[in-house]
Amino acid sequence: QSALTQPPSASGSPGQSVTISCTGTTSDIGGYNYVSWYQQHPGKAPKLIIYEVIERSSGVPGRFSGSKSGNTASLTVSGLQAEDEADYYCSSYAGNYNVVFGGGTKLTVL
Amino acid sequence: QLQMQESGPGLVKPSETLSLTCTVSGGSISSNIYSWGWIRQSPGKGLAWIGTLYHSGITYSSPSLESRVAISVDTSKNHLSLRLSSVTAADTGVYYCARPRGPQQMDPFGYWGQGILVTVSS
Repeated sequence: QSALTQPPSASGSPGQSVTISCTGTTSDIGGYNYVSWYQQHPGKAPKLIIYEVIERSSGVPGRFSGSKSGNTASLTVSGLQAEDEADYYCSSYAGNYNVVFGGGTKLTVL
Repeated sequence: QLQMQESGPGLVKPSETLSLTCTVSGGSISSNIYSWGWIRQSPGKGLAWIGTLYHSGITYSSPSLESRVAISVDTSKNHLSLRLSSVTAADTGVYYCARPRGPQQMDPFGYWGQGILVTVSS
């Protein structure tokens, strides 16, 4: 199975909103409502922030939200803060016990 | 609070077998509810799922790796293990052990170890 497609980079100024896309196929994103998003700061392990497309993990600020349309999922970060600067990875259940990840997007807060 | 920590050699020679251990604390690895998995991250690249061991004892692995992957548990030590055979330089990366946030096969990985860098080189 192929990796999900994400833009390599995204940026925004503090207070602005930024949306990161994640494109898959009908075999993964389009076929299941099991898209998740991870945040990874340099040198740290990934942290699950969004699961089942729209659900926020415990303790994750409401500024983070997820959505999905067809084969594309999106992560929106509203009211950007300096600490949001990190790499973001999408992931989807791909059937038959398989999991697929995106290539990651580096979010820069200008 | 569940915690996980990977350990093992940081350098493996090409064609040999990479062997890593994940020590689990704050929870029992012998739980018949949760599965346990491994994910890796090649230098400067994204995450890649390696495989997941379910409480049924069955391992499901990435199609690109399944012929080389073995995942097991040692319940007496609360350890999860990964063996990846016939390694090449392409297997270099940071290896993470992880546990899904829930018991379903589609649950994402909610708990992660800190990761261990493994370099494949002669």
